[in-house]
Amino acid sequence: RKEVEQDPGPFNVPEGATVAFNCTYSNSASQSFFWYRQDCRKEPKLLMSVYSSGNEDGRFTAQLNRASQYISLLIRDSKLSDSATYLCVVNGNDYKLSFGAGTTVTVRA
Amino acid sequence: EPEVTQTPSHQVTQMGQEVILRCVPISNHLYFYWYRQILGQKVEFLVSFYNNEISEKSEIFDDQFSVERPDGSNFTLKIRSTKLEDSAMYFCASIESSSYNSPLHFGNGTRLTVT
Repeated sequence: RKEVEQDPGPFNVPEGATVAFNCTYSNSASQSFFWYRQDCRKEPKLLMSVYSSGNEDGRFTAQLNRASQYISLLIRDSKLSDSATYLCVVNGNDYKLSFGAGTTVTVRA
Repeated sequence: EPEVTQTPSHQVTQMGQEVILRCVPISNHLYFYWYRQILGQKVEFLVSFYNNEISEKSEIFDDQFSVERPDGSNFTLKIRSTKLEDSAMYFCASIESSSYNSPLHFGNGTRLTVT
């Protein structure tokens, strides 16, 4: 089983729509979780950390479900500029930080 | 805002040649990383570095690879004898502290093309 798995998508959504997707992780001892976005041929950029109680940053909401070992990202009121690949990153207890393969989101006008 | 900087942005080299990719992590950060991403594929962990030594490395990081922090600022990745399959984006990253909640900060990458 892969350490971190994501639905690759693509998720094609109209502007203004809500889109959500999950990421599962295999290491139950994982300590911390992050969502990054990556634009084509660019470096990953931190979108948000994911906290146990769930957290929100503007139109973005992240949730953590430790029992089922997944995190989720929800994007409300999608903008064209949200089109990107969203990477799930999981920190085990070894600072190795494992990446998912990414979920591609395309927002269309 | 402080940034991780990488040079060069693009490196073209012939198979069998040595390359050195350079990174300057954020100055107060403690953990340093190299990742690579082959075009169209996922970001892959290569190596982590803490307290002037390797703390973790992946199967990809074989004897052809080495890392150094020769002074207080630079963090380098050397590939001794490049292969075609080493062509990829190489990202340097750093973490501020030993807290597990510290996120990775990435440099803008070096595109390595091996011909």
